[in-house]
Amino acid sequence: EAQVTQNPRYLITVTGKKLTVTCSQNMNHEYMSWYRQDPGLGLRQIYYSMNVEVTDKGDVPEGYKVSRKEKRNFPLILESPSPNQTSLYFCASSPLGDGYYEQYFGPGTRLTVT
Amino acid sequence: AQKVTQAQTEISVVEKEDVTLDCVYETRDTTYYLFWYKQPPSGELVFLIRRNSFDEQNEISGRYSWNFQKSTSSFNFTITASQVVDSAVYFCALSIPGPKSSYKLIFGSGTRLLVRP
Repeated sequence: EAQVTQNPRYLITVTGKKLTVTCSQNMNHEYMSWYRQDPGLGLRQIYYSMNVEVTDKGDVPEGYKVSRKEKRNFPLILESPSPNQTSLYFCASSPLGDGYYEQYFGPGTRLTVT
Repeated sequence: AQKVTQAQTEISVVEKEDVTLDCVYETRDTTYYLFWYKQPPSGELVFLIRRNSFDEQNEISGRYSWNFQKSTSSFNFTITASQVVDSAVYFCALSIPGPKSSYKLIFGSGTRLLVRP
């Protein structure tokens, strides 16, 4: 089944404790992206990747890191999480980064930072 | 500024009523794409439709229809004879050229639709 998977689905952590949210897609998509969803703000892009080893900042990259060493994986790293990073996170992928294709979203990761 | 505005934060209707979700966008680009996504209570995001900036033809898919008007920068979504299963948050999104030949997807804040039996 074609899908985007994220792990963990739920995470409660404390300020400053490094964490990684994994994202994997099995559709051989070139483009991958991370979003955060906050009430009243919709989804905002954190980072995106046009292909392996090609990543760039979205609208809200502060406090996050990403890497794209393999085509299928695009982990999101919070080196020192803070309470303002409490949010619902979505990973997404699409065949190309040309804007035409719809994005396929993972199930979401709900992160709480205390 | 390039943005998407969904002015209706929440809409509540009774089953079988028709309902229209508004979406207004701003962009300086001549080539862009517009999308609607649905987020049911289970939380996942589901693609509904895509429109490119050169195609103003309206589209109908079952009970769903979309009206794209470049003159008013709007891409509205109508559900005819709404059903309880239509209850969800609906997002309108604009895809525009970004840096380094990329494209950027800008979401509206979403409209929560509640369909009551």
